[in-house]
Amino acid sequence: KQEVTQIPAALSVPEGENLVLNCSFTDSAIYNLQWFRQDPGKGLTSLLLIQSSQREQTSGRLNASLDKSSGRSTLYIAASQPGDSATYLCAVSRGGSQGNLIFGKGTKLSVKP
Amino acid sequence: EAGVTQFPSHSVIEKGQTVTLRCDPISGHDNLYWYRRVMGKEIKFLLHFVKESKQDESGMPNNRFLAERTGGTYSTLKVQPAELEDSGVYFCASSPLRLSGRLGTQYFGPGTRLLVL
Repeated sequence: KQEVTQIPAALSVPEGENLVLNCSFTDSAIYNLQWFRQDPGKGLTSLLLIQSSQREQTSGRLNASLDKSSGRSTLYIAASQPGDSATYLCAVSRGGSQGNLIFGKGTKLSVKP
Repeated sequence: EAGVTQFPSHSVIEKGQTVTLRCDPISGHDNLYWYRRVMGKEIKFLLHFVKESKQDESGMPNNRFLAERTGGTYSTLKVQPAELEDSGVYFCASSPLRLSGRLGTQYFGPGTRLLVL
């Protein structure tokens, strides 16, 4: 049974700092991995999607890496800003006809001005 | 392009009542998913439609939950009768069906916050 773990559960950093959020999964047979952000009371916004054959994806100040064999992904945020404050969720998909995502509990990030 | 929309945004009902949640996916998206987050837990999958057909309903908790997708467009999720443990946030997501068979990004709606008293 696939399980997704995100560490730390919460993180507080000063503005401008670079930071890394971690995601681990128990079954390496994934199809893809998505990182989302969720603002309080809002839905999920997709940040990056990494296919299982890829090693990393970049979007602006965000960089996500994937090491399928070790069951790990990281989300790197460069030069953090107060607007980055949100909960970040990692989710993996098994693919095929089973496209459903399996989520971690998330990391709550607070960027202090 | 409009995103995934869900209605209502909030619902407060009493135990034993019926509630119907609605999801309108992004136009043209054949894949539609329902997820739920119960307080303090991670978001969990409920079911997956491809067009009007149920592809995977392995996450549905019990037979009090009934999902439909009329004509492969919008979807409804009915809870009847509602129990206290059904409280949570219900999310809908959609994604396009690719000819290659590859799965793409799932786009989520804002969720429906359900409270059963």
